[in-house]
Amino acid sequence: EPEVTQTPSHQVTQMGQEVILRCVPISNHLYFYWYRQILGQKVEFLVSFYNNEISEKSEIFDDQFSVERPDGSNFTLKIRSTKLEDSAMYFCASSLDRQGYTFGSGTRLTVV
Amino acid sequence: EDQVTQSPEALRLQEGESSSLNCSYTVSGLRGLFWYRQDPGKGPEFLFTLYSAGEEKEKERLKATLTKKESFLHITAPKPEDSATYLCAVRGYGGSQGNLIFGKGTKLSVKP
Repeated sequence: EPEVTQTPSHQVTQMGQEVILRCVPISNHLYFYWYRQILGQKVEFLVSFYNNEISEKSEIFDDQFSVERPDGSNFTLKIRSTKLEDSAMYFCASSLDRQGYTFGSGTRLTVV
Repeated sequence: EDQVTQSPEALRLQEGESSSLNCSYTVSGLRGLFWYRQDPGKGPEFLFTLYSAGEEKEKERLKATLTKKESFLHITAPKPEDSATYLCAVRGYGGSQGNLIFGKGTKLSVKP
């Protein structure tokens, strides 16, 4: 069964450092997403990406965040200057037609 | 504003003891209600999508139903391996057109 692959599974970074979280969506999917889940809280939408551009972003997705699809397979989330409150699980998801969404296993980001 | 509320927050069952999880939602036009299973430290795993009131879907010991205001996930004769957090999410016609709004989940524990 096709999977969404995320790397790394766990990243520890110092406050103020830049991090890049990587995702390989399912190959024939067209819609790409980043969500995050702070420990004990809801899964929250960050950004959606379609046709090589951001289609929607939440209030959380401020100027510190950016996304890229640098080639036909990878989808990345960059946090420019990490804060303690950015510590969370970050999930990549992809969808063919927005009728179903497949999530990756996540990257646990710890900012110290 | 689209909202999803799940109850109970936690549910402990004996193996074989059937029960139901509730998901109440408020959305400006429902495009889909989604049930996911999430194991600790993992990404959400897709279970069902429901689109209209009266719709039902089944998979092994799980059955999801939908009304205009809520959805139920019925678990028949659960086994310990059904222990997980069950997440409900909606996609609406409003501001979050392509994106999922999640509830906090119900943490299910099934004891042998």
